[in-house]
Amino acid sequence: DAKTTQPTSMDCAEGRAANLPCNHSTISGNEYVYWYRQIHSQGPQYTFLIHGLKNNETNEMASLIITEDRKSSTLILPHATLRDTAVYYCIVRDLGDYKLSFGAGTTVTVRA
Amino acid sequence: GAVVSQHPSRVICKSGTSVKIECRSLDFQATTMFWYRQFPKQSLMLMATSNEGSKATYEQGVEKDKFLINHASLTLSTLTVTSAHPEDSSFYICSVVLGSYNEQFFGPGTRLTVL
Repeated sequence: DAKTTQPTSMDCAEGRAANLPCNHSTISGNEYVYWYRQIHSQGPQYTFLIHGLKNNETNEMASLIITEDRKSSTLILPHATLRDTAVYYCIVRDLGDYKLSFGAGTTVTVRA
Repeated sequence: GAVVSQHPSRVICKSGTSVKIECRSLDFQATTMFWYRQFPKQSLMLMATSNEGSKATYEQGVEKDKFLINHASLTLSTLTVTSAHPEDSSFYICSVVLGSYNEQFFGPGTRLTVL
């Protein structure tokens, strides 16, 4: 019961912005959008990136743009570096639901 | 800095033996921890929810008698793979929930290889 759909892969030029789309058309009013990534060069380490409910969010790692109808969102890495090469996972869940269901994610390759 | 640690980082064992993996929360208390498994080229799959002071909650299809979970303190949860077989070879990863938005922070994983 995949709640999100993401492109399988995408390439990005180093120094440019990477825009990662995620569709979550069945998102409910209480569900947040979370983004995680896994950098394989660091073993299986998963890292939390950012989350949002309906407003756009920005932190030191990324920005999250959520459409007004909340049916889709975009993770933005403003200045991609080679170290951003990773698999990025978009997850929606209720704040009180601790469980995370990881799909296949988007494999992002940043090229020099 | 790291929020969650795991030990060992990798282990190789013979078929039929048991292996214990530790997950520790660093500098904070965690009443709930999660255990995941990731096979090569597959997504992370939740195995069980570890609750401090009570029994773990297992996901469907995960054998509780094979994967023993003990959450004896607020900073430590252990996963014991009993009578390990080669098909149990995988990355085992734990996580804890922190923050007002219940973000999950993951440990670095333990690579289990069963010969």
